[in-house]
Amino acid sequence: LAKTTQPISMDSYEGQEVNITCSHNNIATNDYITWYQQFPSQGPRFIIQGYKTKVTNEVASLFIPADRKSSTLSLPRVSLSDTAVYYCLVVIPEYGNKLVFGAGTILRVKS
Amino acid sequence: EAQVTQNPRYLITVTGKKLTVTCSQNMNHEYMSWYRQDPGLGLRQIYYSMNVEVTDKGDVPEGYKVSRKEKRNFPLILESPSPNQTSLYFCASSLASGINEQFFGPGTRLTVL
Repeated sequence: LAKTTQPISMDSYEGQEVNITCSHNNIATNDYITWYQQFPSQGPRFIIQGYKTKVTNEVASLFIPADRKSSTLSLPRVSLSDTAVYYCLVVIPEYGNKLVFGAGTILRVKS
Repeated sequence: EAQVTQNPRYLITVTGKKLTVTCSQNMNHEYMSWYRQDPGLGLRQIYYSMNVEVTDKGDVPEGYKVSRKEKRNFPLILESPSPNQTSLYFCASSLASGINEQFFGPGTRLTVL
């Protein structure tokens, strides 16, 4: 049984908006949903975090519907340097305090 | 500079030879965690620690041990490494719990022959 589900890969062009969705049917009711970015040979880096509705920071927006069964990371006007793997991170109650990363989405931005 | 450090960065060893990967953070974080990353499997949590002397199993704890005697250090111990533990390992820390922003170390690439 998948804990979280993300698309394996996505392609985009520079300047486009990219939306990556993570499905998490059964997450903790009072915990945040967090997204990370990872470049090759580096540790993941925090992008954004939210609990419900919409959160925006200087690099991304995060949309979370009322049922919280999914979340969508939105990257506005991507550039070549946004080519990376993107992970969602949630807490799933039946796993206690363990953290569960999605398998990651490889985003390739082309010129 | 706020950071998480891991040592060694690269290690090649043989089956059964005990090894320790060190992890240290200088941010006074309470929560620390170890992950392994394998192609196609993403990041999987091995062990985590909510505070000094408090550790718990993550998703894939078999074959690993940890200790948290000091707040800043969280070593990962492989008592008898096996080839299926060949992987890229990351240590991370965060302020109070794993769902807070985690700061990751640079990674340790381990090969067990």
